[in-house]
Amino acid sequence: NAGVTQTPKFQVLKTGQSMTLQCAQDMNHNSMYWYRQDPGMGLRLIYYSASEGTTDKGEVPNGYNVSRLNKREFSLRLESAAPSQTSVYFCASSERREVGYTFGSGTRLTVV
Amino acid sequence: RKEVEQDPGPFNVPEGATVAFNCTYSNSASQSFFWYRQDCRKEPKLLMSVYSSGNEDGRFTAQLNRASQYISLLIRDSKLSDSATYLCALNDMRFGAGTRLTVKP
Repeated sequence: NAGVTQTPKFQVLKTGQSMTLQCAQDMNHNSMYWYRQDPGMGLRLIYYSASEGTTDKGEVPNGYNVSRLNKREFSLRLESAAPSQTSVYFCASSERREVGYTFGSGTRLTVV
Repeated sequence: RKEVEQDPGPFNVPEGATVAFNCTYSNSASQSFFWYRQDCRKEPKLLMSVYSSGNEDGRFTAQLNRASQYISLLIRDSKLSDSATYLCALNDMRFGAGTRLTVKP
């Protein structure tokens, strides 16, 4: 019973490098989300996908792009990493917003 | 005012104590509310949904006060294993920054 799987778990990037964070869920959920969590700031929504084929910006989308590849997978791309993007990134999914989320175990990203 | 606000704590309580957290929100159109538990360096996990009539799950009770725009979480008979950060969330995808609870022997 995998739930939401995120890869990688840890990553160190140099400023200006790019990378893609992968997320997959096996619960047949319609909606998927990307959050970042910083000390004292809580979880902030980067992008979300209410259903397959749609994506929308959240609170802090600048510097990120997303792809909802299919119903299972929702990836987050950093095109040119900056130190301000050092954070813990969580992917989540839900059947719909009204029933709460299941989170992946997170990706700890450091940009130097 | 933040959209979703929580007292960051920490709340340090002895085992067996009753402790309560509040979470205030500014979006009066919010329809669904949740409490999550997050252990150190782990992902948040859904603890319970908050219904208009209030709901209880064992030692945990959640309440909603729409007039004053806050939700609350009450933990009775605290256990050492309840030590964690408790996050509130709304169905508009916003989370509070969390309240840290430490239960001590």
